[in-house]
Amino acid sequence: KAGVTQTPRYLIKTRGQQVTLSCSPISGHRSVSWYQQTPGQGLQFLFEYFSETQRNKGNFPGRFSGRQFSNSRSEMNVSTLELGDSALYLCASSLAKGGVLSGRGNEQFFGPGTRLTVL
Amino acid sequence: AQSVSQHNHHVILSEAASLELGCNYSYGGTVNLFWYVQYPGQHLQLLLKYFSGDPLVKGIKGFEAEFIKSKFSFNLRKPSVQWSDTAEYFCAVTSGGSGTYKYIFGTGTRLKVLA
Repeated sequence: KAGVTQTPRYLIKTRGQQVTLSCSPISGHRSVSWYQQTPGQGLQFLFEYFSETQRNKGNFPGRFSGRQFSNSRSEMNVSTLELGDSALYLCASSLAKGGVLSGRGNEQFFGPGTRLTVL
Repeated sequence: AQSVSQHNHHVILSEAASLELGCNYSYGGTVNLFWYVQYPGQHLQLLLKYFSGDPLVKGIKGFEAEFIKSKFSFNLRKPSVQWSDTAEYFCAVTSGGSGTYKYIFGTGTRLKVLA
């Protein structure tokens, strides 16, 4: 089974621009989560999508948005880039079917990440 | 707010030394707990997980962790580390109400094992 893929792997943008990152989950996985990883901050949760609906959202400004398509692929968009947005953006997919019992504890499978540099 | 604390940010050990990485979380409800590892240049991968039952869980590569509910802790241990265990380790917790769940990660612990 193919793993989680993310494109592009590297991006260099300038302040004020916008960027779109893509994530293809493992086949059959319907949940996709996005994280921002920076040194010293660890992984910070951005949002999670399940069956095209955003189920959870972290504490990021509205410049960060996402969506999920019917084939479970997901995109994340960051508008009006700031220097502080430079980070590794990780996508993770999971079987998570939703609901208190089946939703919790599902292992997340991570992609290689997209390294975004904002100049 | 829910949070996960990893108090050791950098750990340096010699091969064959024992390892214990601390993880504490703050959440009063039912949680599931995880340890993930990120080897240099590789993806994050799951080391072990706790859902319920025996609070001592065993994972891959000889790692184990103990869930102590009264202390809100889930410390990772390995009796004898190897050079190949050099990596960054993340503790994570899932929580959430009906129909939702989200992961909260700690800030990570960088482990360097000297040969």
